Amino acid sequence: GEDVEQSLFLSVREGDSSVINCTYTDSSSTYLYWYKQEPGAGLQLLTYIFSNMDMKQDQRLTVLLNKKDKHLSLRIADTQTGDSAIYFCAENDNNDMRFGAGTRLTVKP
Amino acid sequence: DVKVTQSSRYLVKRTGEKVFLECVQDMDHENMFWYRQDPGLGLRLIYFSYDVKMKEKGDIPEGYSVSREKKERFSLILESASTNQTSMYLCASTLNVEYGYTFGSGTRLTVV
Repeated sequence: GEDVEQSLFLSVREGDSSVINCTYTDSSSTYLYWYKQEPGAGLQLLTYIFSNMDMKQDQRLTVLLNKKDKHLSLRIADTQTGDSAIYFCAENDNNDMRFGAGTRLTVKP
Repeated sequence: DVKVTQSSRYLVKRTGEKVFLECVQDMDHENMFWYRQDPGLGLRLIYFSYDVKMKEKGDIPEGYSVSREKKERFSLILESASTNQTSMYLCASTLNVEYGYTFGSGTRLTVV
């Protein structure tokens, strides 16, 4: 089947930028998504990008999409300790959504 | 505030027991989903439903069944719980897949 891949761990210092990367394989996906999961909680939709866009910015979050390389990234500017969580990349795949394994972001003070 | 509510946060069951995980949404969403989440494997789709009394198998339906008697409620059933079904179970719903999902807080099930 189609896979969404992302690295499992990322560690940054407070105040630095974080970049979480994802590759996907289904070129027919209409939307691509980033979800955030805080400890002990479900997933929360953080942001999404339509497949005909290259970039989307929302306050400290920047999503970049390279459709040719099927590469999606999430940049968090001025990373804070409250940003520590697991971040999931996802693509819509016909009638459901396909998720990556999640990247655990650790923010060190 | 829209909500997906899973009835239990933590559950401990014995091998062989029949287990019911309940999920209720208050957003009048047609589409509901059950996932399990395991470290390093991400989310894997067990079953989903587009409408009342309708169900479709996901990627890993073996050992599970579902029930959707009312639009707002989607139940996951473990017919005979086994230790390899120890996991975090997440319910989600949406009006349209393209809008993204709203997730419940999850049920951490331990089968002993």
